[in-house]
Formats: sequence, structure tokens, C-alpha cells
Amino acid sequence: KNQVEQSPQSLIILEGKNCTLQCNYTVSPFSNLRWYKQDTGRGPVSLTIMTFSENTKSNGRYTATLDADTKQSSLHITASQLSDSASYICVVSARNGNQFYFGTGTSLTVIP
Amino acid sequence: GAGVSQTPSNKVTEKGKYVELRCDPISGHTALYWYRQSLGQGPEFLIYFQGTGAADDSGLPNDRFFAVRPEGSVSTLKIQRTERGDSAVYLCASSFGGRNTDTQYFGPGTRLTVL
Repeated sequence: KNQVEQSPQSLIILEGKNCTLQCNYTVSPFSNLRWYKQDTGRGPVSLTIMTFSENTKSNGRYTATLDADTKQSSLHITASQLSDSASYICVVSARNGNQFYFGTGTSLTVIP
Repeated sequence: GAGVSQTPSNKVTEKGKYVELRCDPISGHTALYWYRQSLGQGPEFLIYFQGTGAADDSGLPNDRFFAVRPEGSVSTLKIQRTERGDSAVYLCASSFGGRNTDTQYFGPGTRLTVL
């Protein structure tokens, strides 16, 4: 069964600190993995996308890694800001078709 | 418009009623997706359109749910005989093409509450 699991479910960190969010998946055959940021009451916004051959991708203070062998990805946020408070969702798509498998997200709260 | 828009932003209805949710994708985007997101969960795929046709409707939960995109632009998600379990945020997304590597741009969602 194609599944995407994220951890932790929620996280609280101090402004300026770094954090790492985890994503494990069983989707096969793998096509690509995205990380989205979803602010409360808004639709998700794409942060990064990685295909099978890519193992790291950066977007400003966000760095995503992918290990296609172990089927794991992480999203590292450096020097967190209050505006980073949001839900971060990992999404994996398979090569056969156009379905996207969403994780349940990690709720990040950055406090001053 | 600059982004994907959805109307209404909020809809409250009574059990058993019929509702329509509208999505205006980004101009020129051929692919359109509907998702349902329950509180504390990630979005759940419902249906995908490529142009006017539903390329994949395997996520629709039952025959009370139906979606159309008659001119390949605006899409309407229709729910008949609503049930309390249908309460959720319904998200629409569009992408330029239909490849799964194309970036999906999401609308703000319609929050549906069935009393």
C-alpha cells in the first residue's frame, strides 16, 4: 500500500534555531517527492521537488534531502523565523499515473 | 487571475442538501485537481482533470460526489445528499501540464460544514 508517514506530528522551537522534519514513504514505483508549506487557512505551497537521482535540494533556508534506497526524506530549516510556523507536508508521486500521496504533515510552531 | 481561486470560502449546509464548490485555475493550466482535507490530516486526492476530461476519478468516495470541467478551465465539485462526514476543506490545485513533476498551485480551499 502506498503510504507517506511524517514525524514528528508537531514541533515547537525557538526563533533562530534549526529543526529537521522527517518523511518516510512506501510509494512505488517512485517518481518524485515534494515538500509543501501550508499556512493556516491557506492552500499548500511547494518548497522543493526531488526526483530519484537527486539527494539534496535547497530553497533559501529550507534544505530537503532524499534517500531513495531507504525511502526517507528530511526537510531541514535553518535559522527559523516566526513566519516558518505552518504545517509542512511531504508528498510523493508514483511513476504510474498522476496520483499524489500526502503525509499528514508536521505542525511547526516557532516562538520568540 | 494571479492564482487559483475557490468559491465560496465557507459553506454551511444541512445534512441531505446539495452543494457546489467552484474552482478557477490559473489561466493556461491544463491540469486541475480536487482534494479533500480533514482537520489535522494531509489532503486526500479526489479527482484529476486533464483538459475537459476526468483523467482519474478514483479518489471520489462514492457516487454522491461528481465534478465537471466543461470548458477545460473552471471546475465545479458537486456533492449530493450531503452527510456530516463530508465536512472538510476542499482544495483545488492546477498545474501547467499533467506531468507529476509539474508544480501544483493550490487555492485557499472551501471549508464545507454539514450540520
